[in-house]
Amino acid sequence: DAGITQSPRHKVTETGTPVTLRCHQTENHRYMYWYRQDPGHGLRLIHYSYGVKDTDKGEVSDGYSVSRSKTEDFLLTLESATSSQTSVYFCAISGDRPGTDTQYFGPGTRLTVL
Amino acid sequence: GDSVTQMEGPVTLSEEAFLTINCTYTATGYPSLFWYVQYPGEGLQLLLKATKADDKGSNKGFEATYRKETTSFHLEKGSVQVSDSAVYFCALRSGNEKLTFGTGTRLTIIP
Repeated sequence: DAGITQSPRHKVTETGTPVTLRCHQTENHRYMYWYRQDPGHGLRLIHYSYGVKDTDKGEVSDGYSVSRSKTEDFLLTLESATSSQTSVYFCAISGDRPGTDTQYFGPGTRLTVL
Repeated sequence: GDSVTQMEGPVTLSEEAFLTINCTYTATGYPSLFWYVQYPGEGLQLLLKATKADDKGSNKGFEATYRKETTSFHLEKGSVQVSDSAVYFCALRSGNEKLTFGTGTRLTIIP
């Protein structure tokens, strides 16, 4: 299994509070991604990174920001959480060398915004 | 833009039944195609993939063939087991690193 961990695994917070989710990898892969999973929508890309300090928006980026100061860590921040951001969040990684370009997923973080 | 349409669930089958989960796609160029599986309470795991037309991906008794002429990548298994109960996602990658997912199909196998 790819070495990907996410923290926290579960979080309950209140509307308007800031929240940061962490994704950590031990594979030294170039690309990292944040997705959210909601019933009826599958997985939707929030933001992704193609290197340290290099990030770009996905299809549902409003209300989220990301940072990547080290190859191994990719942080997702909800500056002011809203109930519509209640979801399960998955991190994924992939490499740019042959045989490493498949995305592998972390275990997920279940976030509830009350 | 790219899109993936997969069979709506839930799908309930008896053990040892034949399984088909349909997946069709719309994409520019020549995408790579994937099936991921999600077991309860876990993240997504790659089940199989195909990178060019007529390729067949296979793993754990599951198969899917990349059909360019019908833009399809249907998942099949000849004899399902209770342990195959999960949510299955079809996905494509077209020209860049980003994946586009279908909405998922929940499969339940009854003993």
